[in-house]
Amino acid sequence: GNSVTQMEGPVTLSEEAFLTINCTYTATGYPSLFWYVQYPGEGLQLLLKATKADDKGSNKGFEATYRKETTSFHLEKGSVQVSDSAVYFCALSGGETSGSRLTFGEGTQLTVNP
Amino acid sequence: KAGVTQTPRYLIKTRGQQVTLSCSPISGHRSVSWYQQTPGQGLQFLFEYFSETQRNKGNFPGRFSGRQFSNSRSEMNVSTLELGDSALYLCASSPRDSGSYNEQFFGPGTRLTVL
Repeated sequence: GNSVTQMEGPVTLSEEAFLTINCTYTATGYPSLFWYVQYPGEGLQLLLKATKADDKGSNKGFEATYRKETTSFHLEKGSVQVSDSAVYFCALSGGETSGSRLTFGEGTQLTVNP
Repeated sequence: KAGVTQTPRYLIKTRGQQVTLSCSPISGHRSVSWYQQTPGQGLQFLFEYFSETQRNKGNFPGRFSGRQFSNSRSEMNVSTLELGDSALYLCASSPRDSGSYNEQFFGPGTRLTVL
């Protein structure tokens, strides 16, 4: 079945550092890929998405490219801010499952220090 | 446009009791999904409803059930609560029925604590 694997956290960076959070997936067919962010005490917010191979999703300085050959969707940001501190989830839908069902990775806690 | 709302936000129950959680989707959204979030298991899919019909179900015991009303509002029910049911329950709504690309909009969740 579908599965998503994220790099283990937590990740601690200084402000303005470069961020990479690795995400790989297993799915048949052509799933859609997402990054969600969860701030303390809140639900999930969609950060960016990509629906086909080689698509690049971007939002608020974050980017991720759908790489079908390596089944990866790594999240990057060139210069993180304290306000980026949150938990980041990689997710997919489609593949073997129908409808809107999302399969999530384990989540990566990011802390950015001033 | 108002976002997804969930009530109550916090709930404390004891083992053996049952609980009902409510979710109101974004206006015009007809698909509602439920997820359970725990530190140990992460985010797990419970079920999805569209037009009052369950379209998809995750791997949870029959104690977990749900329904959707004609106005797209949804409820989930957990009977005979166990300590392990303590979790954040998230509801998400989506404007579309099928297809792999279905952006989901999440509510703030209901924090259930079972004592």
